Amino acid sequence: SQKIEQNSEALNIQEGKTATLTCNYTNYSPAYLQWYRQDPGRGPVFLLLIRENEKEKRKERLKVTFDTTLKQSLFHITASQPADSATYLCALDNSNSGYALNFGKGTSLLVTP
Amino acid sequence: SAVISQKPSRDICQRGTSLTIQCQVDSQVTMMFWYRQQPGQSLTLIATANQGSEATYESGFVIDKFPISRPNLTFSTLTVSNMSPEDSSIYLCSVEQGHKNIQYFGAGTRLSVL
Repeated sequence: SQKIEQNSEALNIQEGKTATLTCNYTNYSPAYLQWYRQDPGRGPVFLLLIRENEKEKRKERLKVTFDTTLKQSLFHITASQPADSATYLCALDNSNSGYALNFGKGTSLLVTP
Repeated sequence: SAVISQKPSRDICQRGTSLTIQCQVDSQVTMMFWYRQQPGQSLTLIATANQGSEATYESGFVIDKFPISRPNLTFSTLTVSNMSPEDSSIYLCSVEQGHKNIQYFGAGTRLSVL
């Protein structure tokens, strides 16, 4: 069955450092992969989308890599800030349901001053 | 980007009753989705609701338990029927807009069943 795995343990880093979150998947051949941010009591918010033919994508302090051979995506936040503290979700296209998505459980990031 | 309003934001319900969750979008969209997020778990797709057709349910979810309406391009409802404590969860609606594969989510409905 299709699986999306993200680090279940929370990631604690110091302000100013780079946070790196991992998303691994199995039994997928995704056309694209997405990262979302979720704050407590809120719905997920889209951050970045990377397609299967792209190796890397950047947006301000965010960078995503996509390795279809390793079946892995890395999500980096450089110069992290306490405001970056949230849960980050990896999502892949749900091949059965058109534009619907399958989500990982997410990794909680805490950035301390 | 689409702005999505969900009602209610939270509710506490008695076992055996039903709750209808509303999802209103500020623009016309073809595809709407309903997800469930149980504590500490990922979002799980319940169904896809396209205007003008019956909702398509994912494995493990049935229409009798989670009936969905999609009367127009800006509105949808999800009903959680004959509730049990196992239905306690956050229910989220989302839309895909512009065929860019990006989804926009409502804030969710936090349901507790006693």
